[in-house]
Order: sequence, then C-alpha cells, then structure tokens
Amino acid sequence: DAKTTQPNSMESNEEEPVHLPCNHSTISGTDYIHWYRQLPSQGPEYVIHGLTSNVNNRMASLAIAEDRKSSTLILHRATLRDAAVYYCILRDVPPGAGSYQLTFGKGTKLSVIP
Amino acid sequence: GAVVSQHPSWVICKSGTSVKIECRSLDFQATTMFWYRQFPKQSLMLMATSNEGSKATYEQGVEKDKFLINHASLTLSTLTVTSAHPEDSSFYICSARDRLAGGVGELFFGEGSRLTVL
Repeated sequence: DAKTTQPNSMESNEEEPVHLPCNHSTISGTDYIHWYRQLPSQGPEYVIHGLTSNVNNRMASLAIAEDRKSSTLILHRATLRDAAVYYCILRDVPPGAGSYQLTFGKGTKLSVIP
Repeated sequence: GAVVSQHPSWVICKSGTSVKIECRSLDFQATTMFWYRQFPKQSLMLMATSNEGSKATYEQGVEKDKFLINHASLTLSTLTVTSAHPEDSSFYICSARDRLAGGVGELFFGEGSRLTVL
C-alpha cells in the first residue's frame, strides 16, 4: 500500500474547526483514502473515506486535493471527545476483492484545549 | 453502527500460561477478521488475518504456533496466546467487516484486550 505522511501532533481549541493534513504523493488511481481515529485505551473507529470527491458525514468532512496527493480531514467543531490519534490510511481495493486489511502508520495525535 | 466485541477487556496472567481472547461480531457476519497488536505509544501492527473455516494468514515475524487463531463461525474468532511471557504484554485488537458491505466497507474494531503477563 502507498505510504502516508501526517504530522505527529496537533492542538486545537475546543469549539473551533480542526484541519488534519495527510500527504500521499505516491497514491495510485485505485487507492481509497480512509481515516480512522483511536481514543485512549480503545480500538480504532471509522471516521470517513473517499476516492476522488470530497465527502461529508456526521463526524467529519474529507477534502481531497484535485491531484489526490494530499487530503485533509476536517472536524468542524472540535470537542474534548475528539482528542485522539487520527490515522490516514490508503487502501487499494481491486474489483471483486472480498476483503482488505488496513496498515496503520503513526497518525496524528490531536489534543483539544478547553 | 455495527459492533465488534472483545472479551476479556483485560487479563493478567502468570508467565507460561495460555490466554484466549474472543472477538465477536454482534450484528453482522464476517468471513474475515483481523488481529492487531499495539504496544504502548506505538501504532497498531497487523498480526494475522483470520478466515472463517480455514487457516489464518500470519504476517511476517508473527509466530503462528504461539498465537493460535481459530475462526470457527462467521461471528467469532479467537486468539490464543500460548505460553505467554512478559514481552507478550500488549493491547490486542480485532477488527471485522460485514461480508455483505461490499469491497470498501468500513472496518469495525473491537474495544481491545489488554494483556499483562507477570
């Protein structure tokens, strides 16, 4: 799988938007961009994923650059509960693939300041 | 959303004993489940892929005789750490995907099982 690069840590004030960047310059045309987060002492949880177009869901928005070499996870209003490690992961899913695994990098540790 | 449950959530055992960790998909079926291990302040490392009704596929460097995986049904996979030693102390996490979700469905993770070997 292609590699991603994320800042080790970021800080945000509570109630303010957070933009978490991810670089993936070697992304291939069939790589999906996944974001997961892991709260302390818990398993990861899915946040969002996309391929080419920007995506929105109840948790976050995913902005994907036109060349797909970078993406940004946007939390519109950070809360204390959003303090977690955020992982940006690329996954190639060939047509007809039954399942796939995820390879986690180091992620970005987000701290939210009250 | 779909739920994956692990049991026990934490376990303390003596060196040399074996420990079994269960991973259940509560409201969906999973032909494939994944086992990860996470040491303190590190990222998740994939250990093995558990396939229902067949042998697990282990990642390089993971001893299959030490980490026994059984996936006997579409909702249950077990990881047994045999003859555990202090260096096996870690946070073990399983994940699964709904087999009906299609090729890019999200993976659901269990809450993790913290193993401490004395």
